[in-house]
Amino acid sequence: QSALTQPPSASGSPGQSVTISCTGTSSDLGNYNFVSWYQQHPGRAPKLIIYDVNQRPSGVPDRFSGSKSGYTASLTVSGLQAEDEADYYCSSYAGNNKGVFGTGTKVSVL
Amino acid sequence: EVQLVESGGGLVQPGGSLRLSCAASGFRVDINYMSWVRQAPGKGLEWVSIVFSGGTTSYADSVKGRFIISRDSSRNTLYLQMNGLRVEDTAVYYCTKDTARGWHVDYWGQGTLVTVSS
Repeated sequence: QSALTQPPSASGSPGQSVTISCTGTSSDLGNYNFVSWYQQHPGRAPKLIIYDVNQRPSGVPDRFSGSKSGYTASLTVSGLQAEDEADYYCSSYAGNNKGVFGTGTKVSVL
Repeated sequence: EVQLVESGGGLVQPGGSLRLSCAASGFRVDINYMSWVRQAPGKGLEWVSIVFSGGTTSYADSVKGRFIISRDSSRNTLYLQMNGLRVEDTAVYYCTKDTARGWHVDYWGQGTLVTVSS
């Protein structure tokens, strides 16, 4: 049950786009389309922003989009806004009724 | 409105035990998938355990054999009994309500801090 691999940090200027990768294995992300993404602001609980690879919960802006290819999933935040500055975590079903999270990426808005 | 309120965190010595509670409102814990997720200070999220609507449970390898997830339908409360605590179990523990279609967390509690230290 090793954590999914994410880059430690990513950044962009307001209005730009930033893409975060999330790499797994054949035991988890590569074998299932149950990939989700969470946004976490300091001192707050995480919030679901993408589920089932590319689905957005109601209320989440369409600036957030997800995709997956092979063993890597990606989250793209378009039209960056100041409030998008946060930590982002991917997650995947890992088989045998277990889950796994990514290592997390800190997004900075320059 | 769905609400999850954790309690029971605190300071405990290595080898000790603690029971976390998560009082739910707005839905029934016994017919939903419920999990615990933890986050060590300054670190990332770690999946800990899940109880499915049918009662089946599952645990992360790091806590298997030491932690027990359970629920009480009369109190509409989820629990996490933590035994044999280790320093590395120090974390904020979040109670979550999960989807029954797929694998993701729909709702999170505010978390309760468990500190394991001598």
